[in-house]
Amino acid sequence: DAGVTQSPTHLIKTRGQQVTLRCSPKSGHDTVSWYQQALGQGPQFIFQYYEEEERQRGNFPDRFSGHQFPNYSSELNVNALLLGDSALYLCASSPAGEAETQYFGPGTRLLVL
Amino acid sequence: GIQVEQSPPDLILQEGANSTLRCNFSDSVNNLQWFHQNPWGQLINLFYIPSGTKQNGRLSATTVATERYSLLYISSSQTTDSGVYFCAVEQGYNTDKLIFGTGTRLQVFP
Repeated sequence: DAGVTQSPTHLIKTRGQQVTLRCSPKSGHDTVSWYQQALGQGPQFIFQYYEEEERQRGNFPDRFSGHQFPNYSSELNVNALLLGDSALYLCASSPAGEAETQYFGPGTRLLVL
Repeated sequence: GIQVEQSPPDLILQEGANSTLRCNFSDSVNNLQWFHQNPWGQLINLFYIPSGTKQNGRLSATTVATERYSLLYISSSQTTDSGVYFCAVEQGYNTDKLIFGTGTRLQVFP
């Protein structure tokens, strides 16, 4: 079992561009959550997908959007990138309703110049 | 919203020392977890501990839900314990949405 995988590992973009980050959940997990972790801070919840729908959302603007595919993998899209979007983006997966068994991926480090 | 604060923010230890990390939360929670984030950014779940005490090797954790705090104990620290320790809470039931604390950065020197 490969656990939670994310791609790419690192990414450099310029302001105004768009980016897509990808996440494959751990086998048997159907819920995917995305978190943003700015330097020196704790992760902040962006949104969560279950059954291909956004189940709940944190305090992030509409520039942040996502998608979940039938195989439970997920994408995070960020439009009109700002310098402040530079962060580590973490994906976590779990069986529905079992946050205590949430596994985190290694993250994607995004740098916006 | 709920506030999750951790102390101390930074901790420097020599190998073999013991330490206690604290997590205070401002409202009742249904779930509390402790994570270790290694220097490469990987978050590892250490404990699921909404109440009571658990031990796993040199690590143990205690949550007193009625007083809204949790403690993580690290005994006989090793250099591999270095990293950032986060507590995270879940409000509501089966939301799977974790609210992370401010973190404690631990550095263990040989």
